[in-house]
Amino acid sequence: DTAVSQTPKYLVTQMGNDKSIKCEQNLGHDTMYWYKQDSKKFLKIMFSYNNKELIINETVPNRFSPKSPDKAHLNLHINSLELGDSAVYFCASSQDFASGTDTQYFGPGTRLTVL
Amino acid sequence: AQSVAQPEDQVNVAEGNPLTVKCTYSVSGNPYLFWYVQYPNRGLQFLLKYITGDNLVKGSYGFEAEFNKSQTSFHLKKPSALVSDSALYFCAVRDAGAGSYQLTFGKGTKLSVIP
Repeated sequence: DTAVSQTPKYLVTQMGNDKSIKCEQNLGHDTMYWYKQDSKKFLKIMFSYNNKELIINETVPNRFSPKSPDKAHLNLHINSLELGDSAVYFCASSQDFASGTDTQYFGPGTRLTVL
Repeated sequence: AQSVAQPEDQVNVAEGNPLTVKCTYSVSGNPYLFWYVQYPNRGLQFLLKYITGDNLVKGSYGFEAEFNKSQTSFHLKKPSALVSDSALYFCAVRDAGAGSYQLTFGKGTKLSVIP
C-alpha cells in the first residue's frame, strides 16, 4: 500500500550515460513533483506537473526532462550525466497545487551516483 | 520572494527534555507553513502544517508548532524528546499572497536526542 514509490532506489552510472527514474503515486493526487537533495541535504524543487501539465520548471539544465504519461506517474530522464548530478532525487505528490494548502507526500528517494 | 530560515544546523537535547527546532520565514502575503521530518536514508514525512486559525498546531508523533506572525516564526516543539525523534527536520513555506505554486524548504536542522 505504498503511497509514493520510486524506482530504482539506487542508481550508479558512468558520466555521459542517459538514465531514467520512475515515480508512481496511488493516492489519487493531481499534482506531482521532482526535488533534488544535494550532499548538504539542501532540498530544491525541479519540476511539477498537474494533471500531466507542466506547472513548475525551475532553472534546471535541459539535460533533465520530466515526462508524465498520466497523473499517477512522473518520470525523470537525464541525458549525458555529469558528476554534479550525483544527489538524491525525491518524487512527491499532492492533492491539488492550486489550493496552496495541500500537503506534499514524498517517495523514498533515488540515490544517483555518477562516476 | 518567499524564504525560510532554520538558524541551527544541529540541536542536541537529552531524552525526556523538551525540544524546540526553530524556523523563521519571509513572505509578501500570508504564509502557509509546514514541518517535515527525514530519517536516515528515507523520504520526507509530513508532521504538521499551519494554514489559518489557531496559532498552535498539533501534529504527528506528539509534535506541535506555534505560529507567531509578529516574529515571523513557526518553531517546532515537543514536550518530552525521545531517542527515536533523532532525525533531520525541515521547515517549509508557501506564500499565499504571491500565489506561489511551490514550497521553499529550509536547509534542515539535525536533531540529536541523547539517551
